[in-house]
This record gives sequence, structure tokens and C-alpha cells, in this order.
Amino acid sequence: AQKVTQAQTEISVVEKEDVTLDCVYETRDTTYYLFWYKQPPSGELVFLIRRNSFDEQNEISGRYSWNFQKSTSSFNFTITASQVVDSAVYFCALMGAGAGGTSYGKLTFGQGTILTVHP
Amino acid sequence: EAGVVQSPRYKIIEKKQPVAFWCNPISGHNTLYWYLQNLGQGPELLIRYENEEAVDDSQLPKDRFSAERLKGVDSTLKIQPAELGDSAVYLCASSVRGRDEQFFGPGTRLTVL
Repeated sequence: AQKVTQAQTEISVVEKEDVTLDCVYETRDTTYYLFWYKQPPSGELVFLIRRNSFDEQNEISGRYSWNFQKSTSSFNFTITASQVVDSAVYFCALMGAGAGGTSYGKLTFGQGTILTVHP
Repeated sequence: EAGVVQSPRYKIIEKKQPVAFWCNPISGHNTLYWYLQNLGQGPELLIRYENEEAVDDSQLPKDRFSAERLKGVDSTLKIQPAELGDSAVYLCASSVRGRDEQFFGPGTRLTVL
């Protein structure tokens, strides 16, 4: 069974602070994908990143960075110099591949972390 | 490129009434998904289509929920009859293939009174 845990229910920071959102996952699949999505107040889930289980390189995209560590089953997300527009609910999600990579498609989401950035 | 389109955005009905949601995926995306999102929780998959075939409907409550994807493009999700506990946001998503990132529509917020 797949499981994603986002232990932080809510985080509140002041603009320009750095903030890290934690994500821990469980899966028996040897091949899987990890995702982060952002859900602003408008409600639409916005895709941020996808990582393969066999690629542990960290990634930086502008103010966003992701730290994937297979040894601890974690895929954490850091926003540097946060801005008010970063306020949203952030979801970590897992997609397992199953035997022979045949089970693609089902995303298992965490509960989400509500990030509030104050001016 | 146009995103995933859903309608209506909001729907209020009384319990025991039927309701239907419509989704138009991104052009060229073969895989279509319907998710249910309860307040304060992450989305949960209801059904996944590969073209016009439902390949995963294990989480769909088939006694009252039904879905179709005629011609492998647009899709409709129906609830009949609706219950109070069905109040939630219904999200549609699409992807090129099952393993790719999924792009979500704005959702339909259903309120059952």
C-alpha cells in the first residue's frame, strides 16, 4: 500500500523567510514517482515537480528546491525568500509503478500543508 | 494551451437528487482522472480512464456513482441519488500517459442540502 505523510498541518512565516515542507512516503514498489502540487485559494491544483525513484539528484528551480532522500523515504520542498503569493496548500504525492511498471496513474496524496506567508 | 475544463464550478442540490459533472481534458491527453477532495484533505482517486476504457474504478462507489468517457475525450461523472456526505470538490485531471504528471481542472464544488 502507498502512503504519504505530511506531518506539518500548518506553517506560518513572515515574507522573505525560508520555509521547508516535509514529506515522508511509504511504498513497496521499487520504481515510483514523487510529486509536489500547489493549491492556491482559487482551488486549482498546480503541478510543481515530478521526480523518479532512481534519480536522487536535488533540484532547484528559482526560489524552489527539492531534496529527495531514498534512505529516509523523504521528499522535502524548500521555498527560499518566501513571498505572500506562495500562500497556498501544498501537497506531496506518490505514484507507484507496481509489478513491471503496469500500475502507473494512481496518485496517493498526503493531507497537505497550509502555508501562510505574512507581509 | 487550454487547461482542463470543468463545469459547473459550483452546484447546490438537495439530497436524493441526481447531479452530473463534465470534464474536457487537455488536447492530446489520453489519460483522464476523476478525484474527490474532502475539506482539509488531499484528493482521492475515483476512476481513471485510458482513452475510453476505465482501467481503475476500484474506489468508485458504484451503487450511486457512474462515469463515462465517450470517444475517449470528454467525460461525465454522475451521482444518483446524492447524499449529504457527497458534499466535496470533484476534480478532473488529465495526463499524456498514466505515468506522467497530471494537470488538474478547477473542480466542481458540490453542496448537498
